[in-house]
Order: sequence, then structure tokens, then C-alpha cells
Amino acid sequence: ETGVTQTPRHLVMGMTNKKSLKCEQHLGHNAMYWYKQSAKKPLELMFVYSLEERVENNSVPSRFSPECPNSSHLFLHLHTLQPEDSALYLCASSQELGIGYEQFFGPGTRLTVL
Amino acid sequence: AQSVAQPEDQVNVAEGNPLTVKCTYSVSGNPYLFWYVQYPNRGLQFLLKYITGDNLVKGSYGFEAEFNKSQTSFHLKKPSALVSDSALYFCAVSPTSGSARQLTFGSGTQLTVLP
Repeated sequence: ETGVTQTPRHLVMGMTNKKSLKCEQHLGHNAMYWYKQSAKKPLELMFVYSLEERVENNSVPSRFSPECPNSSHLFLHLHTLQPEDSALYLCASSQELGIGYEQFFGPGTRLTVL
Repeated sequence: AQSVAQPEDQVNVAEGNPLTVKCTYSVSGNPYLFWYVQYPNRGLQFLLKYITGDNLVKGSYGFEAEFNKSQTSFHLKKPSALVSDSALYFCAVSPTSGSARQLTFGSGTQLTVLP
């Protein structure tokens, strides 16, 4: 079992709902990441945080809004999503932001947008 | 921009036989290379990485990978497959320098080990 937890594990929401995904890492890492995983596609990096500051935003639509209140917690706020946003959302952390550090992943939140 | 290709969506191998999961990459300069594994309903787990040094890298669960710079490949191997190795395997690459500070993942290869 990894030291990264995600809640909820499953979420079904309508297109007009607002919901939030939560990620917590217990590893003392300084960098955290949100990824989107869709079937038969490479993982898509959405956001990167280092020491609570956002350092990457990979052209993600504004209906996805990240928040990192401290180095252990990461949120993804969702509003007015589209059915094509249905996917597995993975949170990850690494010791530092620098390249070469392996990332530790949570189990993911399976999101279904109706 | 860097990229990763995993040319096989699916690899089937009999238990006890050697397995290979292929990965080729494209990156400016030298690469850092990683393999991750994903079991059903789980997140990705780190298997091994190549940073520098010996081209043959040994990782978890008896897996190893060989970095081949001339062929820009980083194939994952195991001498004797187990049914429990059945999972989705991802190769990833990042540059060793420059402003890009993110991993680029391949689309994954589903490994099925048949009893």
C-alpha cells in the first residue's frame, strides 16, 4: 500500500454539480501532482505543485481548479464538467520537484460525469 | 518535446517463460527513464529507473530493464514470468536538463501471464 490516499474512490456527478477530490500524502514529500488517466491513452499531467506553489498547469480547462493548502494535501475542485471528463484521476507525490525522483501514486478516483 | 512509445498494447506470455515489454523514447539530450506497474483498481507503482551508470537496471519483483542509447530503448524484462505479474505496465521519460519538470508516460502495455 502506498503512502498516498485519495477520496472518494468513486464519484458520479451531473454536469451542473460541484464536487472536490482530495489527496493526502504521508511521505513527507514536497511535490504533488494531478493526472488524468483515460482508457488506451497516456497519462495526462494536469497540475504540479512544489511546496504548495503551482508550477505547472498543462492547459487544463478552468472547470478543474486545484488547491494545495499545505505540502501534504492536494484538492481538485470540479464544476460544470463534461461527459468526456469521465476518467480515473490520479494523485502522486515525489520527494522533490526535480526530475529523476520517482513518483508515488494514490489509488485514484474513478469519476463518471452524467 | 519528449515522447514515449510502447508499441504493444497487449503482451501474452506463459508462466515460467521470459517476458519483455518494449519501450522506446524520444527526448532532447540524455533521459531519465522509469517503469511503473498498475494493478486493477490501484494507482501506479514504481518498478525501476535509469538515471546514469550501468545500462542494466534491476528493480522490484525481479524485473530489470536495459537502457540502449543507440536504439533509444528501455525494454522491461523478467527471466521467469508469474501469473501475479499480470498488470498494466507504463514506461516514462523525462529530460535530465532544461525547464521541463515532468514525466511523459507511454500509453501502457497490458501484460497477461497465462498459467
